Amino acid sequence: NAGVMQNPRHLVRRRGQEARLRCSPMKGHSHVYWYRQLPEEGLKFMVYLQKENIIDESGMPKERFSAEFPKEGPSILRIQQVVRGDSAAYFCASSPSGTGSGSFGSGTRLTVV
Amino acid sequence: GNSVTQMEGPVTLSEEAFLTINCTYTATGYPSLFWYVQYPGEGLQLLLKATKADDKGSNKGFEATYRKETTSFHLEKGSVQVSDSAVYFCALSDQSNYQLIWGAGTKLIIKP
Repeated sequence: NAGVMQNPRHLVRRRGQEARLRCSPMKGHSHVYWYRQLPEEGLKFMVYLQKENIIDESGMPKERFSAEFPKEGPSILRIQQVVRGDSAAYFCASSPSGTGSGSFGSGTRLTVV
Repeated sequence: GNSVTQMEGPVTLSEEAFLTINCTYTATGYPSLFWYVQYPGEGLQLLLKATKADDKGSNKGFEATYRKETTSFHLEKGSVQVSDSAVYFCALSDQSNYQLIWGAGTKLIIKP
């Protein structure tokens, strides 16, 4: 049973470009959580999604950031018009029910140049 | 608000040494407490957890006891190995039960 898969592992974008981060949950998991880790800091909750629904996006910046988890396919975290401050590691977790302490992916390390 | 504070790293020890990584928390109510480990190049793995006061979580020789009186959840291991080298994160779940609040992580380096 494959774990949570995130891709790409590393992503480099120029300022103003768009970044798309993908997360495929574990088989049978319909709950997905996104976290961001800034350098030298702990992870910070961004958004919680259940298939086709956003349950809690209280940790996500109001502008430029969006997330989706369609009926088919991976969850996508989209960052439009990236800025240097968006450089961070983005982690995704999934669980079969609404508990956040699920399985985590290896993360996507976004670098904005 | 809820928060988690971990001792700063890196922590460098020799093989077979005793390990303690301190973790204290601030929370309303009765959170669950977790330790996660991240080995180089890998994702986060749940190491152990405790859901109520005085519970002891244990796994792979690691232990941590939920101490409500000192609001602590220190990670301990009696004899570390080189393979324990990793970054260790302490976390708590808030009242929502899905949102995890994280410490900054402690890098552990074990020298042979």
